Amino acid sequence: GQQVMQIPQYQHVQEGEDFTTYCNSSTTLSNIQWYKQRPGGHPVFLIQLVKSGEVKKQKRLTFQFGEAKKNSSLHITATQTTDVGTYFCAELKTSYDKVIFGPGTSLSVIP
Amino acid sequence: DGGITQSPKYLFRKEGQNVTLSCEQNLNHDAMYWYRQDPGQGLRLIYYSQIVNDFQKGDIAEGYSVSREKKESFPLTVTSAQKNPTAFYLCASSTPRTGEYGYTFGSGTRLTVV
Repeated sequence: GQQVMQIPQYQHVQEGEDFTTYCNSSTTLSNIQWYKQRPGGHPVFLIQLVKSGEVKKQKRLTFQFGEAKKNSSLHITATQTTDVGTYFCAELKTSYDKVIFGPGTSLSVIP
Repeated sequence: DGGITQSPKYLFRKEGQNVTLSCEQNLNHDAMYWYRQDPGQGLRLIYYSQIVNDFQKGDIAEGYSVSREKKESFPLTVTSAQKNPTAFYLCASSTPRTGEYGYTFGSGTRLTVV
């Protein structure tokens, strides 16, 4: 069953505001992946984090993996309308080579 | 261009009928996956295959069947035993370097039971 949870489920922000979604697990994660799905579209891989405390940036997006490897966050600075969509965290189960997805956070950006 | 092609984009099925969703990839990926997505929810794994002629059940395999006779193709059959088949179905593939590149998804098939 699902092992990662995400909060919030929905977030509405004014364009230009920052946005953060959190991914939490009760067990230690091997890694954390992040995907973005635009409305009506399919998920697109953004990044994978593996190391404890790891931080990676992609332009306005900052991804962080917790020190205990039980949580992760995605922060978007100065949101734009192109950021609209659902952001999923996921864990790659390396023993089985399958990805288990969290429930996602749906982001709406008000122009 | 390499990618994953899912067809049809929209599918309507009468109750009691089996339907088959197509998934073809030309990425030369070994592993392929089927996920189901319900409105406002995450992705749940139905079946996956890491190699030709082999596949494993995911978390919600009941009422579904698959085959993997060719590396490029991984069709999903939604049988009449699936009690609530209306959903968005996504096919994905990956290389052994899933961690580096993640999954590549097709554009999905929206199945509606009428």
